[in-house]
Amino acid sequence: DAGVTQSPTHLIKTRGQQVTLRCSPISGHKSVSWYQQVLGQGPQFIFQYYEKEERGRGNFPDRFSARQFPNYSSELNVNALLLGDSALYLCASGRSGYSYEQYFGPGTRLTVT
Amino acid sequence: RKEVEQDPGPFNVPEGATVAFNCTYSNSASQSFFWYRQDCRKEPKLLMSVYSSGNEDGRFTAQLNRASQYISLLIRDSKLSDSATYLCVVNMSPDRGSTLGRLYFGRGTQLTVWP
Repeated sequence: DAGVTQSPTHLIKTRGQQVTLRCSPISGHKSVSWYQQVLGQGPQFIFQYYEKEERGRGNFPDRFSARQFPNYSSELNVNALLLGDSALYLCASGRSGYSYEQYFGPGTRLTVT
Repeated sequence: RKEVEQDPGPFNVPEGATVAFNCTYSNSASQSFFWYRQDCRKEPKLLMSVYSSGNEDGRFTAQLNRASQYISLLIRDSKLSDSATYLCVVNMSPDRGSTLGRLYFGRGTQLTVWP
Protein backbone atom coordinates (compact mmCIF):
# COMPACT_ATOMS: atom_id res chain seq x y z
CA ASP A 1 0.00 0.00 0.00
CA ALA A 2 1.18 3.52 -0.73
CA GLY A 3 2.13 5.70 2.19
CA VAL A 4 1.14 9.30 2.73
CA THR A 5 1.85 11.42 -0.32
CA GLN A 6 2.35 15.17 -0.45
CA SER A 7 2.81 17.68 -3.23
CA PRO A 8 4.71 19.65 -4.19
CA THR A 9 8.03 18.54 -2.72
CA HIS A 10 9.58 21.99 -2.73
CA LEU A 11 8.15 25.45 -3.22
CA ILE A 12 9.62 28.94 -3.35
CA LYS A 13 7.27 31.88 -2.85
CA THR A 14 7.66 35.58 -2.14
CA ARG A 15 6.23 37.48 0.79
CA GLY A 16 2.53 38.25 0.44
CA GLN A 17 1.80 35.38 -1.91
CA GLN A 18 -0.54 32.49 -1.22
CA VAL A 19 0.29 28.78 -1.28
CA THR A 20 -1.69 25.52 -1.39
CA LEU A 21 -0.18 22.26 -0.22
CA ARG A 22 -1.75 18.86 -0.88
CA CYS A 23 -1.83 15.56 0.96
CA SER A 24 -3.27 12.11 0.33
CA PRO A 25 -3.54 9.82 3.36
CA ILE A 26 -2.85 6.13 3.58
CA SER A 27 -5.71 4.12 2.10
CA GLY A 28 -8.29 3.43 4.81
CA HIS A 29 -7.19 6.33 7.02
CA LYS A 30 -9.84 8.98 7.55
CA SER A 31 -7.83 11.44 9.63
CA VAL A 32 -5.33 13.95 8.28
CA SER A 33 -3.26 16.30 10.41
CA TRP A 34 -0.93 19.08 9.34
CA TYR A 35 2.26 20.07 11.13
CA GLN A 36 4.85 22.80 10.62
CA GLN A 37 8.50 22.08 11.36
CA VAL A 38 11.04 24.87 11.43
CA LEU A 39 14.74 24.08 11.51
CA GLY A 40 15.96 22.77 14.83
CA GLN A 41 12.50 22.24 16.31
CA GLY A 42 10.02 19.42 16.50
CA PRO A 43 6.87 19.58 14.35
CA GLN A 44 4.07 21.86 15.59
CA PHE A 45 0.41 20.95 15.19
CA ILE A 46 -1.58 23.16 12.79
CA PHE A 47 -4.86 21.34 11.96
CA GLN A 48 -6.58 18.00 12.23
CA TYR A 49 -9.42 16.80 10.01
CA TYR A 50 -11.51 13.69 10.45
CA GLU A 51 -14.35 12.65 8.19
CA LYS A 52 -14.12 16.02 6.43
CA GLU A 53 -14.63 18.00 9.65
CA GLU A 54 -12.07 20.12 11.47
CA ARG A 55 -11.36 18.41 14.78
CA GLY A 56 -8.54 20.55 16.05
CA ARG A 57 -6.58 23.71 15.38
CA GLY A 58 -3.21 24.67 16.77
CA ASN A 59 -1.94 28.12 17.66
CA PHE A 60 -1.59 29.46 14.13
CA PRO A 61 -3.04 32.67 12.66
CA ASP A 62 -6.13 32.78 10.47
CA ARG A 63 -3.89 33.04 7.42
CA PHE A 64 -3.68 29.26 7.72
CA SER A 65 -6.69 27.25 6.59
CA ALA A 66 -7.34 23.70 5.49
CA ARG A 67 -10.00 21.36 4.26
CA GLN A 68 -10.56 17.67 3.71
CA PHE A 69 -12.26 16.23 0.65
CA PRO A 70 -14.68 13.26 0.37
CA ASN A 71 -11.78 11.00 -0.66
CA TYR A 72 -10.01 12.05 2.60
CA SER A 73 -7.26 13.97 0.82
CA SER A 74 -6.54 17.39 2.23
CA GLU A 75 -5.25 20.83 1.33
CA LEU A 76 -3.47 23.36 3.51
CA ASN A 77 -3.66 26.99 2.40
CA VAL A 78 -1.50 29.79 3.68
CA ASN A 79 -2.30 33.39 2.68
CA ALA A 80 -0.16 36.52 2.87
CA LEU A 81 3.05 34.58 3.31
CA LEU A 82 5.66 35.85 5.75
CA LEU A 83 9.36 35.01 5.88
CA GLY A 84 8.66 33.10 9.10
CA ASP A 85 6.37 30.70 7.26
CA SER A 86 9.45 29.09 5.70
CA ALA A 87 9.41 25.54 7.03
CA LEU A 88 8.80 21.89 6.29
CA TYR A 89 5.06 21.24 6.18
CA LEU A 90 4.18 17.71 7.14
CA CYS A 91 0.95 15.84 6.65
CA ALA A 92 0.15 12.83 8.83
CA SER A 93 -2.62 10.29 8.46
CA GLY A 94 -4.08 8.00 11.06
CA ARG A 95 -6.91 5.69 12.00
CA SER A 96 -8.94 6.66 15.02
CA GLY A 97 -8.31 4.48 18.01
CA TYR A 98 -6.78 4.61 21.47
CA SER A 99 -3.14 4.69 20.47
CA TYR A 100 -3.80 6.81 17.41
CA GLU A 101 -0.47 6.30 15.68
CA GLN A 102 0.13 8.79 12.92
CA TYR A 103 2.24 8.30 9.80
CA PHE A 104 3.92 11.17 8.04
CA GLY A 105 4.33 12.04 4.40
CA PRO A 106 7.65 13.31 3.02
CA GLY A 107 6.64 16.91 3.53
CA THR A 108 6.64 20.06 1.45
CA ARG A 109 9.60 22.35 1.98
CA LEU A 110 8.37 25.94 1.64
CA THR A 111 10.81 28.80 1.28
CA VAL A 112 9.47 32.36 1.46
CA THR A 113 11.80 35.07 0.14
CA ARG B 1 6.48 25.47 29.80
CA LYS B 2 6.58 23.30 26.68
CA GLU B 3 4.34 20.24 26.58
CA VAL B 4 7.27 17.90 25.87
CA GLU B 5 10.83 18.55 26.96
CA GLN B 6 13.84 16.56 25.87
CA ASP B 7 17.59 17.06 25.93
CA PRO B 8 18.61 18.18 22.42
CA GLY B 9 22.04 16.58 22.75
CA PRO B 10 23.96 16.03 20.58
CA PHE B 11 24.94 12.55 21.68
CA ASN B 12 28.06 11.22 19.98
CA VAL B 13 28.74 7.55 20.71
CA PRO B 14 30.90 4.77 19.22
CA GLU B 15 29.41 1.77 17.49
CA GLY B 16 28.30 -0.84 20.00
CA ALA B 17 27.58 1.68 22.76
CA THR B 18 24.37 1.86 24.75
CA VAL B 19 22.66 5.25 24.76
CA ALA B 20 19.60 6.48 26.64
CA PHE B 21 17.27 9.38 25.83
CA ASN B 22 14.80 10.86 28.26
CA CYS B 23 11.92 13.21 28.03
CA THR B 24 9.23 14.66 30.27
CA TYR B 25 5.72 15.80 29.46
CA SER B 26 3.60 18.35 31.23
CA ASN B 27 0.00 17.19 30.76
CA SER B 28 -1.06 14.29 32.96
CA ALA B 29 -4.09 13.74 30.68
CA SER B 30 -1.79 12.62 27.88
CA GLN B 31 -3.06 9.41 26.37
CA SER B 32 -0.41 7.77 24.28
CA PHE B 33 3.30 8.07 23.78
CA PHE B 34 5.73 7.44 20.98
CA TRP B 35 9.29 7.71 19.82
CA TYR B 36 9.79 8.87 16.25
CA ARG B 37 13.05 8.89 14.33
CA GLN B 38 13.86 11.68 11.87
CA ASP B 39 16.75 11.59 9.42
CA CYS B 40 18.16 14.84 8.09
CA ARG B 41 15.66 16.69 5.89
CA LYS B 42 13.25 13.73 5.95
CA GLU B 43 9.89 13.15 7.60
CA PRO B 44 9.54 11.67 11.11
CA LYS B 45 9.06 7.90 11.08
CA LEU B 46 7.36 6.04 13.89
CA LEU B 47 9.97 4.05 15.79
CA MET B 48 7.82 2.61 18.53
CA SER B 49 4.85 3.23 20.75
CA VAL B 50 5.52 3.38 24.48
CA TYR B 51 3.43 1.48 27.01
CA SER B 52 3.29 1.67 30.79
CA SER B 53 4.56 -1.89 31.06
CA GLY B 54 7.58 -1.01 28.96
CA ASN B 55 8.20 -2.49 25.58
CA GLU B 56 11.12 -3.76 23.58
CA ASP B 57 11.76 -4.03 19.85
CA GLY B 58 15.10 -5.62 19.11
CA ARG B 59 17.82 -3.28 20.35
CA PHE B 60 15.31 -0.61 21.37
CA THR B 61 13.56 -0.46 24.75
CA ALA B 62 11.01 2.19 25.71
CA GLN B 63 9.68 2.93 29.17
CA LEU B 64 6.87 5.12 30.44
CA ASN B 65 6.44 6.36 33.99
CA ARG B 66 3.03 8.04 34.22
CA ALA B 67 3.50 9.08 37.85
CA SER B 68 6.65 11.02 36.99
CA GLN B 69 5.44 11.95 33.48
CA TYR B 70 8.68 10.61 32.09
CA ILE B 71 9.48 8.63 28.93
CA SER B 72 12.75 6.96 28.01
CA LEU B 73 14.33 5.21 25.04
CA LEU B 74 17.33 2.91 25.36
CA ILE B 75 19.33 1.86 22.31
CA ARG B 76 21.71 -1.06 22.80
CA ASP B 77 24.59 -2.05 20.52
CA SER B 78 24.37 1.20 18.52
CA LYS B 79 24.83 0.97 14.75
CA LEU B 80 26.02 3.63 12.34
CA SER B 81 22.52 3.55 10.85
CA ASP B 82 21.03 4.65 14.20
CA SER B 83 22.42 8.16 13.58
CA ALA B 84 19.36 10.41 13.44
CA THR B 85 17.26 12.76 15.54
CA TYR B 86 14.95 11.00 18.01
CA LEU B 87 11.68 12.76 18.76
CA CYS B 88 9.71 12.17 21.93
CA VAL B 89 6.01 12.48 21.12
CA VAL B 90 2.90 12.65 23.25
CA ASN B 91 -0.67 12.32 21.99
CA MET B 92 -3.27 14.41 23.79
CA SER B 93 -6.91 14.45 22.91
CA PRO B 94 -8.68 17.80 23.13
CA ASP B 95 -11.92 16.06 24.14
CA ARG B 96 -12.41 13.53 26.88
CA GLY B 97 -13.30 10.21 25.35
CA SER B 98 -12.14 11.12 21.87
CA THR B 99 -10.05 8.56 20.07
CA LEU B 100 -8.30 11.22 18.06
CA GLY B 101 -5.63 13.51 19.31
CA ARG B 102 -2.90 15.84 18.38
CA LEU B 103 0.76 15.01 18.63
CA TYR B 104 3.07 17.15 20.71
CA PHE B 105 6.73 16.80 19.82
CA GLY B 106 9.87 17.47 21.77
CA ARG B 107 12.54 19.32 19.85
CA GLY B 108 14.43 16.10 19.29
CA THR B 109 17.70 14.57 20.48
CA GLN B 110 20.42 14.27 17.89
CA LEU B 111 22.42 11.03 17.90
CA THR B 112 25.61 10.42 15.94
CA VAL B 113 27.15 6.95 16.04
CA TRP B 114 30.77 6.87 14.90
CA PRO B 115 32.79 3.87 13.71
